[in-house]
Amino acid sequence: ETGVTQTPRHLVMGMTNKKSLKCEQHLGHNAMYWYKQSAKKPLELMFVYNFKEQTENNSVPSRFSPECPNSSHLFLHLHTLQPEDSALYLCASSQEGEPAYEQYFGPGTRLTVT
Amino acid sequence: GQNIDQPTEMTATEGAIVQINCTYQTSGFNGLFWYQQHAGEAPTFLSYNVLDGLEEKGRFSSFLSRSKGYSYLLLKELQMKDSASYLCAVRDSNYQLIWGAGTKLIIKP
Repeated sequence: ETGVTQTPRHLVMGMTNKKSLKCEQHLGHNAMYWYKQSAKKPLELMFVYNFKEQTENNSVPSRFSPECPNSSHLFLHLHTLQPEDSALYLCASSQEGEPAYEQYFGPGTRLTVT
Repeated sequence: GQNIDQPTEMTATEGAIVQINCTYQTSGFNGLFWYQQHAGEAPTFLSYNVLDGLEEKGRFSSFLSRSKGYSYLLLKELQMKDSASYLCAVRDSNYQLIWGAGTKLIIKP
């Protein structure tokens, strides 16, 4: 257990559905991240929140919408996704300001878009 | 552009030693990380190098040469549980992590 939980672990959705991914960190960290992980590709950073403020949005399509209501919770709202969005979505947290501030990852949500 | 290169897959024998290399070209450098990811699980932090040299942590060691843009992760006394993907990542001048695609390590008895 890394102290970062994600739900659901698996999700199958149609292209017209709306769903949300949830992440919670129990580490007292001040930064949270959403990543997309596709097979044999590098992790793609999607969004970064620092002290609840979004600081990075790496040209992510608007069909992905993040929400960070407080420093412990992060959501990723999904709507009208495409089959190429099928991937593992990982949430991570870190403590900005620490020397290494390594990221702690949740187990991910395996998303399949049909 | 920014780039991290590491081998796609490596095979080693239980009890042996394996070295996983990582080369990088990034805009600036603020540290290099190694993570381990077992299939279906979260990546977990292994090591952090910001100065040249070797960092040792039990059976795992990580080396960095900033002038060569090069790092390696050395795993000794390999165990079956070490079968996993190993991810190299570099923090650039904007403090963003740039990730490699990972090296899948297969351990054979």
